[in-house]
Amino acid sequence: GQQLNQSPQSMFIQEGEDVSMNCTSSSIFNTWLWYKQDPGEGPVLLIALYKAGELTSNGRLTAQFGTTRKDSFLNISASIPSDVGIYFCAGQPISGGSNYKLTFGKGTLLTVNP
Amino acid sequence: EAGVAQSPRYKIIEKRQSVAFWCNPISGHATLYWYQQILGQGPKLLIQFQNNGVVDDSQLPKDRFSAERLKGVDSTLKIQPAKLEDSAVYLCASSYVRLGTYNEQFFGPGTRLTVL
Repeated sequence: GQQLNQSPQSMFIQEGEDVSMNCTSSSIFNTWLWYKQDPGEGPVLLIALYKAGELTSNGRLTAQFGTTRKDSFLNISASIPSDVGIYFCAGQPISGGSNYKLTFGKGTLLTVNP
Repeated sequence: EAGVAQSPRYKIIEKRQSVAFWCNPISGHATLYWYQQILGQGPKLLIQFQNNGVVDDSQLPKDRFSAERLKGVDSTLKIQPAKLEDSAVYLCASSYVRLGTYNEQFFGPGTRLTVL
């Protein structure tokens, strides 16, 4: 099956620092998504990317869809304490049809020290 | 707009017992998903419904897991009998259906299952 390698597994940073995390796949994806999960909650979509090379921002978050369609990165600028959580990348394969099956990475645990 | 509702939030059972989880998707969402999230992992799709039909259940352990969505709205996921390795958070998600584009999946808070 498809594998997503997400790195780093965890990060411990100071408030105000910038953060970067990435995801690579063994196969091509049609769509890349970045989610955040807070403790005791389900994942919440942060950014969706639909085209190779696409760069999309959502406030302090920026994500890019790699040109090979096999990778994506997420940057968070000027981190704040509420950025704490687990960040997941997820991809939808090239031939999704009506079956929008997502494959998730293992997540990056972000801790922000005030 | 109300989000995806799940119950119970927590469940503790002994191995070989049965358990059921309930999900009420966002009103109007035709597609419903059940995911299993083991500690330290990302969610893994177990089953996907569109209305009351199964679209994908390739990763559902059918010898012990079953799911239904009889009226195309609420859904129930059952485990019978449970094993220790079934300890996980079970997430339900729902989405609209618009062909040709990604349809955002909205997740519920999950049910945390502990099998002793």
